[in-house]
Amino acid sequence: DQQVKQNSPSLSVQEGRISILNCDYTNSMFDYFLWYKKYPAEGPTFLISISSIKDKNEDGRFTVFLNKSAKHLSLHIVPSQPGDSAVYFCAASGPYSGNTPLVFGKGTRLSVIA
Amino acid sequence: DTEVTQTPKHLVMGMTNKKSLKCEQHMGHRAMYWYKQKAKKPPELMFVYSYEKLSINESVPSRFSPECPNSSLLNLHLHALQPEDSALYLCASSRGGGDTQYFGPGTRLTVL
Repeated sequence: DQQVKQNSPSLSVQEGRISILNCDYTNSMFDYFLWYKKYPAEGPTFLISISSIKDKNEDGRFTVFLNKSAKHLSLHIVPSQPGDSAVYFCAASGPYSGNTPLVFGKGTRLSVIA
Repeated sequence: DTEVTQTPKHLVMGMTNKKSLKCEQHMGHRAMYWYKQKAKKPPELMFVYSYEKLSINESVPSRFSPECPNSSLLNLHLHALQPEDSALYLCASSRGGGDTQYFGPGTRLTVL
């Protein structure tokens, strides 16, 4: 059973426009959510996170929105740049105790076209 | 500094070889992780160490043997691997709990 779902395997966006990557989860015990960016043959790079007590977190061009009632989160990248082209993984963990492992979605490949 | 280092970057080994992967972090993190990632798949958790003790083993075959010599180091000993074990092996660390995990660059392993 997939607890974290990224239903779009790929997304193409024009340079300068907004990229919106979506993620849904099923486990109501998740209380911490993260986005990672990954280039081929490299480790995932942490981008941004949000805890369940917030509904929005911003860091530069990246904003993550959390809708707990819908069990949905999204990553907005504005403006999109060619260097943003990578695979983006949504991950979740919780409850925030013990060593709950991260649960990853299958990833969305973002292509930013110049 | 959020750096996790892994060596070697690439490793090719035969099915009868014994080799080790190494991971190091100096962020004072108390939890360290091994993941395996196949192409076009998300990282798959193998092991979790918390305060140098193995806390999670996701039913990984015994040909993979983790070791945590101290709070900064994590090893993965490999013996009698199969070609299907070829993958990118990722190490990560965190402060513990459900906190953010920081990943190393990975070791690309090929088993012949």
